[in-house]
Amino acid sequence: KQEVTQIPAALSVPEGENLVLNCSFTDSAIYNLQWFRQDPGKGLTSLLLIQSSQREQTSGRLNASLDKSSGRSTLYIAASQPGDSATYLCAVEGRDDYKLSFGAGTTVTVRA
Amino acid sequence: DAMVIQNPRYQVTQFGKPVTLSCSQTLNHNVMYWYQQKSSQAPKLLFHYYDKDFNNEADTPDNFQSRRPNTSFCFLDIRSPGLGDAAMYLCATRRGIGSTEAFFGQGTRLTVV
Repeated sequence: KQEVTQIPAALSVPEGENLVLNCSFTDSAIYNLQWFRQDPGKGLTSLLLIQSSQREQTSGRLNASLDKSSGRSTLYIAASQPGDSATYLCAVEGRDDYKLSFGAGTTVTVRA
Repeated sequence: DAMVIQNPRYQVTQFGKPVTLSCSQTLNHNVMYWYQQKSSQAPKLLFHYYDKDFNNEADTPDNFQSRRPNTSFCFLDIRSPGLGDAAMYLCATRRGIGSTEAFFGQGTRLTVV
């Protein structure tokens, strides 16, 4: 069974600092990995999708890397802003079962 | 425009009283998922559909049922809600399996009193 872990569970940084969020997974047989943002009491908003054949994906200030063999992904957010405060979750789609398995997320607070 | 719509956003139900949550999508996606998310926890998969093929997670309680009458709509029925079923329920869709992006609705917050 796929296990997805996100460390740390929470992170607080001053505005302008770069953010580094980590995601690890136990089964490397994946189709893709997706990063999401969740605001309090809301659903999930997709940020980036990295296919298993890719090493990284970029969108604006966001950059996500994937090392499938070691079961790791990192989300980098450059020059953080208070509006980046949210919970960030990663999810992997398994090749065997097509399910999306999630980590518990990292809750980010960016202090003005 | 919202592409995955969940209704209602907030639902309060009495202990043991059946409740139905709904999800609709305008994307014509084949795959739909229902997740349960409790505070500070990872979303937990309850069911998923590939078109009309239904997949029930082994640890999904029998109290939970799902229906997908057509591509656009999917329902989650909780036959006898208990206090432990209070959670955020999330619906998601994707076009197909493998290398396609998943889209989520805004969720339904269920309170059991």
